[in-house]
Amino acid sequence: DAKTTQPNSMESNEEEPVHLPCNHSTISGTDYIHWYRQLPSQGPEYVIHGLTSNVNNRMASLAIAEDRKSSTLILHRATLRDAAVYYCILRGANDYKLSFGAGTTVTVRA
Amino acid sequence: NAGVTQTPKFQVLKTGQSMTLQCAQDMNHEYMSWYRQDPGMGLRLIHYSVGAGITDQGEVPNGYNVSRSTTEDFPLRLLSAAPSQTSVYFCASSYSLGQGFYGYTFGSGTRLTVV
Repeated sequence: DAKTTQPNSMESNEEEPVHLPCNHSTISGTDYIHWYRQLPSQGPEYVIHGLTSNVNNRMASLAIAEDRKSSTLILHRATLRDAAVYYCILRGANDYKLSFGAGTTVTVRA
Repeated sequence: NAGVTQTPKFQVLKTGQSMTLQCAQDMNHEYMSWYRQDPGMGLRLIHYSVGAGITDQGEVPNGYNVSRSTTEDFPLRLLSAAPSQTSVYFCASSYSLGQGFYGYTFGSGTRLTVV
């Protein structure tokens, strides 16, 4: 399975943007980039995914490098409720499985 | 509300006891899976199922059994509990929209302690 590398932790101030990097230099052409987050004492929840183009939804934006070897999850205005562990995961087009790494722990300061 | 329901939420077992963790989803998802999460770590896949009657092993299957007799239910059985199985267990289900997108919905977890 292709691997991802994320920083262990990041801090942000409330109402400021948060940029979460993810390196995936061994990504294959058919791998989708998925992001999930896990709030304290809860199960993971889907955030966003993409293949080649940048993606936006109500929760976040996903910026994908042109060579697809890295991507960045962008939380436009962090709130205290965004404090969570964020996981960057590669998933093949026909692969049901998700492989979780350690993720990035995001702390939001009031 | 639609979603993935796990029961029980908390359980304490003695070493050697057996039990079944229940997972049910009402979204008609074909794919279901079980993960465990140890303190400070990411989730690891135990078993998964791509449809009723079809199951397969994940990354850490030893000590666990599963079956899938209906689309809705995917129970996880611990045959003889060991302290190493102390963990939080998450059930997840997903669907296919084609073009490689499988959206996952996770349950709220079962916190298991084996003493």
